[in-house]
Order: sequence, then structure tokens, then C-alpha cells
Amino acid sequence: KQEVTQIPAALSVPEGENLVLNCSFTDSAIYNLQWFRQDPGKGLTSLLLIQSSQREQTSGRLNASLDKSSGRSTLYIAASQPGDSATYLCAVSGNTGKLIFGQGTTLQVKP
Amino acid sequence: GAGVSQTPSNKVTEKGKYVELRCDPISGHTALYWYRQSLGQGPEFLIYFQGTGAADDSGLPNDRFFAVRPEGSVSTLKIQRTERGDSAVYLCASSAGGWDTEAFFGQGTRLTVV
Repeated sequence: KQEVTQIPAALSVPEGENLVLNCSFTDSAIYNLQWFRQDPGKGLTSLLLIQSSQREQTSGRLNASLDKSSGRSTLYIAASQPGDSATYLCAVSGNTGKLIFGQGTTLQVKP
Repeated sequence: GAGVSQTPSNKVTEKGKYVELRCDPISGHTALYWYRQSLGQGPEFLIYFQGTGAADDSGLPNDRFFAVRPEGSVSTLKIQRTERGDSAVYLCASSAGGWDTEAFFGQGTRLTVV
């Protein structure tokens, strides 16, 4: 059974810092991995999707990497801003697109 | 539509009552998913539709939960004899189908059973 773990559960950093969020999964037979952002009381916004054949994806200040063989992904956020404060969720999927989520990392960026 | 739409946004019901939650996916998206999110947790998979058929309902917790998608577009999640433990945010997502397509989520329905 696939299990997804995110570390740390919560993180507080001063504005401007670069930071890394970690995601690990137990079964390397995934088709893709997605990182999502969730603001309090809101739905999920997709940030990056990495297909299993890819090593990384970049969007603006965000960079996500995938090491499928070791069951790990990282989300790198450069020059963090208070508006980045949210919960970040990692999810892996198989061939149906069904997502298995981690519990999330709640990020607070202090001005 | 422009995005995935879920109604109602909030629903309060009494224990034992029946509820229906609606999801309007992005137009043209063949795949539709329901998830449930409890406070402080990541979403948990409930059911997946490809077109009109439920391709995977392995996440439905028991037979009080049922979902339909009769015309391959709008889906309704139905919960009978609600219990306090059913209180959660119910999220719907759609995608163009296929393992390599991005999932887009609605804002969710917050269900509270009192």
C-alpha cells in the first residue's frame, strides 16, 4: 500500500529565506507526482506536476525534483514571501490518476 | 465552466439525515474524483469516475456512501444516515483523463453533522 510522508509538518521562516519541503513515498511504481498549495478553508491549487520519467519541474520561484528510485521529492521555494504562507501537499498517482496524499507541510513566512 | 464547481460550499445536517453533494467538473474532462479531507490531514481518495462509470470505488468507507455521474459530467456524492464522523471537507477534482494529466480541484463542500 502506497504511503506518502511529508516532513516537516510545520515550518516558520523569515521573509526572503530559501526553503525546502520534503516528500517521501513507499512504492516507487508511480506515474507522476504533484505538489499542491492549500490556503485555509480553500481547495487545492496545483503548483507542479512531475511525470515519472522527469527529474524536475520549475515554475517561477518554485522548483520540484523527483527521485523515483529512492521514493523522494523536494519542493524548493526561493526568496520566500508572506504570500507563500499556506499548506503544501504532495501527492503521487498511478495509471488512473488517483492521488495518494501526504499530510502536508504548513508554512508560515514572517514579514 | 472555468473551473471545478462544488455546491453547496457548506452543509450542516442532523445525524441520521441524507445529504447530496454536487460537483461540476471542467467542461470536457472525462475523469472525476471525490476525496475527503479531515482537519489537519491530507485528502483521502473516495471514488473515481471515467466517463459515466465508477472505475474505482475502493475508497468509499461503507455502503452509506454512494456516488453517481449519469451523463459523464456532473457528479453527486450521496451520504445516507449521516454520522458525526462523516464531518469533513469533501473535495472534487477533474482531469482530462490519463495518468499524465493534471488534476484540478474545486473549493470543496464542508459537511458538518450535528
